[in-house]
Amino acid sequence: QVQLVQSGAEVKKPGSSVRVSCKASGVSFSNYAIHWVRQAPGQGLEWMGAIIPIFGTTSYAQKFQGRVTMTADEFTTSAYMELSSLRSEDTAVYYCARAAERGSYLFSFDSWGQGALVTVSS
Amino acid sequence: QSALTQPPSVSGSPGQSVTISCTGTSSDVGNYNRVSWYQQPPGTAPKLMIYEVSNRPSGVPNRFSGSKSANTASLTISGLQAEDEADYYCSSYTNSNTWVFGTGTRVTVL
Repeated sequence: QVQLVQSGAEVKKPGSSVRVSCKASGVSFSNYAIHWVRQAPGQGLEWMGAIIPIFGTTSYAQKFQGRVTMTADEFTTSAYMELSSLRSEDTAVYYCARAAERGSYLFSFDSWGQGALVTVSS
Repeated sequence: QSALTQPPSVSGSPGQSVTISCTGTSSDVGNYNRVSWYQQPPGTAPKLMIYEVSNRPSGVPNRFSGSKSANTASLTISGLQAEDEADYYCSSYTNSNTWVFGTGTRVTVL
């Protein structure tokens, strides 16, 4: 069973950027899509995008196109999500999650990180 | 991509059955058998309960079941237990090579 451990809570100013990390351990990393999902306080889950490390390919939700960048480092088995031009509405818990099977964005998310709270406030 | 539509809340007594609907469009739920359900107790990360419409991951009790008809998927919890109290979210793959979540349903055990 894979374990996903995320970086800690962050407080950011409006207009700045944040980078959240997600380190995988336990099983193969590169072949599985890593998805990013956020949850604003008291709100539902929102899919942001995904990356397949071995291909370096990404798929982003239209809402975040141009503002989000997802990367991965196969050597450190870590994935990263950077969100720029932050505004107060970006205050949320950001989760990484791994696809249940390898090689595609098609599979559901069977392992989740613990979440990282990002607070955007002046 | 609009969120899939779920009822805000459902409730039932222990031992009863409850069903949560998840309505999408022909661009997501209606076009793929890639519908998943997640359980999220307060303050915790989501947990996969059902994948590909009706499959249960190892360790998920068989009182959880899923189905789909046209643009609507459903999650049924049979023999409701106190520990089932949580938020539940559906999710579907879409024509745009993306995923979309439902609006979420709070399950309350009376």
